[in-house]
Amino acid sequence: QQQVRQSPQSLTVWEGGTTVLTCSYEDSTFNYFPWYQQFPGEGPALLISILSVSDKKEDGRFTTFFNKREKKLSLHIIDSQPGDSATYFCAASSNTGYQNFYFGKGTSLTVIP
Amino acid sequence: EAAVTQSPRSKVAVTGGKVTLSCHQTNNHDYMYWYRQDTGHGLRLIHYSYVADSTEKGDIPDGYKASRPSQENFSLILELASLSQTAVYFCASSDVGLGINQDTQYFGPGTRLLVL
Repeated sequence: QQQVRQSPQSLTVWEGGTTVLTCSYEDSTFNYFPWYQQFPGEGPALLISILSVSDKKEDGRFTTFFNKREKKLSLHIIDSQPGDSATYFCAASSNTGYQNFYFGKGTSLTVIP
Repeated sequence: EAAVTQSPRSKVAVTGGKVTLSCHQTNNHDYMYWYRQDTGHGLRLIHYSYVADSTEKGDIPDGYKASRPSQENFSLILELASLSQTAVYFCASSDVGLGINQDTQYFGPGTRLLVL
């Protein structure tokens, strides 16, 4: 069973637009949600993360929202740039070790100039 | 800056042959991981290690062995490579442990393995 569901699988947006990626999860014990960004030919790198005690975290053009009641989180990218074209993974953890750390399947984002 | 390097960056192997993928980190991290990435599956954990000379199974260990001869080095071994093991393999390191205390993983650039 997929513990973390990510959508959409792929997404194309125009430069300057807002990108919205979403994830949902099942396990109510999950309390830490990082987002990783992966450029072609590279390994994933931590982009932004949020704890379940917060509902929003911003870092420049990137904002992640967390909805505990609905077990959903999202990543918003404002003023999307061609350089944002990458694959984005959400993950979820219950702070109890690898056995409860799950990656979503990823969203491939293309930003068209 | 955290640094994880992998070698080789790409490899073509024959079915039934032995393949060794190597990973080196200069982060002074205790934890190291091997993942495989397949289109449509995201990242899946194969093996991990939290101390030299010890390895643990991840979610998909079948067909793979791991070796951690030192804190800095972690290898993934395919004793009898199969077509289904064609994938991109990533090594990662972390300080505290996967999922613990908002621990961050630092990934290498990946090794693209093609088994023919």
